[in-house]
Amino acid sequence: DAGVIQSPRHEVTEMGQEVTLRCKPISGHNSLFWYRQTMMRGLELLIYFNNNVPIDDSGMPEDRFSAKMPNASFSTLKIQPSEPRDSAVYFCASSPRGAAAETQYFGPGTRLLVL
Amino acid sequence: DQQVKQNSPSLSVQEGRISILNCDYTHSMFGYFLWYKKYPAEGPTFLISISSIKDKNEDGRFTVFLNKSAKHLSLHIVPSQPGDSAVYFCAASGTSGSARQLTFGSGTQLTVLP
Repeated sequence: DAGVIQSPRHEVTEMGQEVTLRCKPISGHNSLFWYRQTMMRGLELLIYFNNNVPIDDSGMPEDRFSAKMPNASFSTLKIQPSEPRDSAVYFCASSPRGAAAETQYFGPGTRLLVL
Repeated sequence: DQQVKQNSPSLSVQEGRISILNCDYTHSMFGYFLWYKKYPAEGPTFLISISSIKDKNEDGRFTVFLNKSAKHLSLHIVPSQPGDSAVYFCAASGTSGSARQLTFGSGTQLTVLP
């Protein structure tokens, strides 16, 4: 079975450019999460969706960040305009419904560097 | 304020011995606790979990213990193997009215020496 798929795996961009990160959750999972990992703040939850609907976006750092989930098999995290402090590893995770709902399965991450 | 704390950033253990990784939390409302393992350049991988209604859960070489009165949990790996060398994250869910949000600790780098 394919796990969570993220693209690109690496992204280098210049300050002010738009960045779009992509995620395909595990088929049949109904919750999707976006995390950011930095040395200073560790793993932080940015936003999560349940049945394609955003439930909690309180972790989104500012208006430059936006996330969408147009269908059950695809989500994007967009940063516009990007800034050097956005440099981090961004993880997408998904979880199934039911008794195992607390267990999240992570993708390999996108390493973003904003110059 | 950190709701989930892993106070040891690193731990070294000899192969074959026991590894004990510790985690403390602040919220009594956390209902579920998980341990994840992370290798470099990969995403965290689910390892083992425990519900707050239990005090122990075992899966092969891995055992998680929960002490609710002390708000403390630990992961025991016996026997430790070199392939266990990774960063281990403790996570908790069940606060703020949402059972699905996970709050992660800062991680402990485990090195198992051959």
